[in-house]
Amino acid sequence: KAGVTQTPRYLIKTRGQQVTLSCSPISGHRSVSWYQQTPGQGLQFLFEYFSETQRNKGNFPGRFSGRQFSNSRSEMNVSTLELGDSALYLCASSLVGGTTNEKLFFGSGTQLSVL
Amino acid sequence: GESVGLHLPTLSVQEGDNSIINCAYSNSASDYFIWYKQESGKGPQFIIDIRSNMDKRQGQRVTVLLNKTVKHLSLQIAATQPGDSAVYFCAETAEGRRALTFGSGTRLQVQP
Repeated sequence: KAGVTQTPRYLIKTRGQQVTLSCSPISGHRSVSWYQQTPGQGLQFLFEYFSETQRNKGNFPGRFSGRQFSNSRSEMNVSTLELGDSALYLCASSLVGGTTNEKLFFGSGTQLSVL
Repeated sequence: GESVGLHLPTLSVQEGDNSIINCAYSNSASDYFIWYKQESGKGPQFIIDIRSNMDKRQGQRVTVLLNKTVKHLSLQIAATQPGDSAVYFCAETAEGRRALTFGSGTRLQVQP
């Protein structure tokens, strides 16, 4: 069974641009979460989706948004990029999410550099 | 492609020694704890978990200890191998929370 797939692997943007990152969960998984990883702040929760609905959101500005499609694939978008948005963006999937009875599986991430 | 902390605490051990990685968690309402391993260029990988109604759980070469009184977790790795070199994170959550809160991580370096 294929793991969580994130594309692209690397991305370079300039300040003020916007970016869209993509995540394909493990087949059969319906919950997708996004995390931001930086050297200064570590791993921080962005949002979680299930059945195309955002169920939880972390403490990030409105420039960070996401969505989930009917096939459970998810995208996240960052508008008006700032230098501080440079980070590794990680996607994770699980069967239904929100329960401690299932494990979370992470992708390898998209490394975003904002110049 | 790794963006893991440049200023992480580092634990350096000799191959074959036992390693102990510590973590303090913040939310007393958390009732489920997980240890993840992150290798260069990869996402976090599940190692072992423990629920708050337990204080110890063992896996293959790994043991997690939970002290709820002082909100402390530890991960013990027996007979550490070069392949164990990675960054280790603890994470906490609770049923229905739908989000993990991660610790800041510890880099484990295994010297051959």
